[in-house]
Amino acid sequence: SQQGEEDPQALSIQEGENATMNCSYKTSINNLQWYRQNSGRGLVHLILIRSNEREKHSGRLRVTLDTSKKSSSLLITASRAADTASYFCATTLNTGTASKLTFGTGTRLQVTL
Amino acid sequence: DGGITQSPKYLFRKEGQNVTLSCEQNLNHDAMYWYRQDPGQGLRLIYYSQIVNDFQKGDIAEGYSVSREKKESFPLTVTSAQKNPTAFYLCASRGDRGLYSNQPQHFGDGTRLSIL
Repeated sequence: SQQGEEDPQALSIQEGENATMNCSYKTSINNLQWYRQNSGRGLVHLILIRSNEREKHSGRLRVTLDTSKKSSSLLITASRAADTASYFCATTLNTGTASKLTFGTGTRLQVTL
Repeated sequence: DGGITQSPKYLFRKEGQNVTLSCEQNLNHDAMYWYRQDPGQGLRLIYYSQIVNDFQKGDIAEGYSVSREKKESFPLTVTSAQKNPTAFYLCASRGDRGLYSNQPQHFGDGTRLSIL
């Protein structure tokens, strides 16, 4: 079963606006990662936040993590048409087994001119 | 450039046929992974390998098989036992195989498999 669930499933904004995507998960994690996927392509890693971190920045990206609520958010500021893609959160489970990623269902972002 | 190469980009399977998807990486990564992606369902883990000559089943291994004879190669065979193979298949690798790795996964550009 999917560990993470993204919200919203789809988001349409205009260029220059901010885009916020949320991710909820069910069990204790080691870290949470965000990936981007352009249509028909592989995933590209954006940012990783560890379970003991609350906020992380990378360029126009800002990620927050609330382990008490088992949720994370990805904020893309000043969006561009080139940001149009699907965005996935993925969690590394803290179960002592091999380090595996469990992906959510993704948010499809459309940025229009 | 270092990266992951998946081939072919498109593949068609006939009834009762086994097909093999190729995944090669030149990143010198220990761990490799195979995922299946269906529309609206995100990625699901099929098999993974943390070291040469060793691999483990993921969440949806039935109807699939893998081998890891070389560090740089992790081919996936979709067997005739997989009754619904139509999907987008993604291969990934990671630099370390630690239990609590904080390294990201690197992905290939996928193979789209369809049934004839």
